[in-house]
Amino acid sequence: DAKTTQPPSMDCAEGRAANLPCNHSTISGNEYVYWYRQIHSQGPQYIIHGLKNNETNEMASLIITEDRKSSTLILPHATLRDTAVYYCLSRDRDDKIIFGKGTRLHILP
Amino acid sequence: GAVVSQHPSRVICKSGTSVKIECRSLDFQATTMFWYRQFPKQSLMLMATSNEGSKATYEQGVEKDKFLINHASLTLSTLTVTSAHPEDSSFYICSAPKGGASGHEQYFGPGTRLTVT
Repeated sequence: DAKTTQPPSMDCAEGRAANLPCNHSTISGNEYVYWYRQIHSQGPQYIIHGLKNNETNEMASLIITEDRKSSTLILPHATLRDTAVYYCLSRDRDDKIIFGKGTRLHILP
Repeated sequence: GAVVSQHPSRVICKSGTSVKIECRSLDFQATTMFWYRQFPKQSLMLMATSNEGSKATYEQGVEKDKFLINHASLTLSTLTVTSAHPEDSSFYICSAPKGGASGHEQYFGPGTRLTVT
């Protein structure tokens, strides 16, 4: 079973920052948090991952709370092409990625 | 960046026939690949782990004799859906972690849409 929970859907205005929350209160201290997204009818795309520190790359920023029980993915300037289902994930003990239901992000023009 | 390809992208087959789907890592070697299935409006469901040079390991409830997996080389894994039925119609997606099974960046193929008539 997925160890993360996310809201089923969110809206964000085009050009604004999209902040996607994720709860992962049961992951262990050495488990990374991964974010992927899936645009309709395509394979998932890796976005970012982190352990304890906040991370930033060309796609997004990842803010992890100090207690590691939750995190937020930030898309700084959302565009219509960011409309997708966003998955917050961890790995099981066999390094397998188990997908939860994700958050369907709608970018509003 | 790393790329994983799948072939075919779409396939329509008749009930009772078998279909083979290929998954290739194009610019890195993958000793482990994963196969997922996704039904409409649902999340990805892990089916099996494909291991180069050894038998695949299947998730609970996935029939290994129906979904045959062969990982013949470090860049190719194949999934064969045997005696396909309409309920096998789905979106099949493979993935490969760069840097071994525990590699942080796991790359997904574009998916294969199977329709069984």
